[in-house]
Amino acid sequence: QQQVKQSPQSLIVQKGGISIINCAYENTAFDYFPWYQQFPGKGPALLIAIRPDVSEKKEGRFTISFNKSAKQFSLHIMDSQPGDSATYFCAASMTGETSGSRLTFGEGTQLTVNP
Amino acid sequence: NAGVTQTPKFRVLKTGQSMTLLCAQDMNHEYMYWYRQDPGMGLRLIHYSVGEGTTAKGEVPDGYNVSRLKKQNFLLGLESAAPSQTSVYFCASSYQGWGENTEAFFGQGTRLTVV
Repeated sequence: QQQVKQSPQSLIVQKGGISIINCAYENTAFDYFPWYQQFPGKGPALLIAIRPDVSEKKEGRFTISFNKSAKQFSLHIMDSQPGDSATYFCAASMTGETSGSRLTFGEGTQLTVNP
Repeated sequence: NAGVTQTPKFRVLKTGQSMTLLCAQDMNHEYMYWYRQDPGMGLRLIHYSVGEGTTAKGEVPDGYNVSRLKKQNFLLGLESAAPSQTSVYFCASSYQGWGENTEAFFGQGTRLTVV
């Protein structure tokens, strides 16, 4: 049972366009929502993360929008560049001293930005 | 500062063979995790540790064992490999399990094929 559902599975955008990836979660106890970026042959790396007490977080060209009532969050990549071509994973976690930051991942989105 | 290092990077096993994957981190992180990545399924947590000498089951623990005898090392063992364990395995670590330092840092991965 996938507790975090991610869409679309793949996405193709033109350079300079906006990339949008959506995720929905089920467990209301999740309190930490990171997005990871993964290049071929590499491990995932944290891109940006949000806590449920805010509705939006922006870091450079990357923005997370968070809708607690709908149990949804999304990643927006503005002015997409070919170097952004990678696989993106949303994730959710119930953080805590005895549980650590165990992440439940979405299925992943393969983003291709054409020049 | 190497971060999270996984050994080996590639391995081919025959069904029924055993092996141990080694994860080492030099960031003095308390928490460590083992995930497996399969196409279309994102990453799934196998086992995790909240400190030296502790281990706990994650989402998909069957067929795997772990040990954390030293704070910097987290070992993942396959006692009798099966083709279903063909996957890419990622180790991760985090400084804290809650609060501001919950970012999980991932290794480069181990690609395991069981024939």
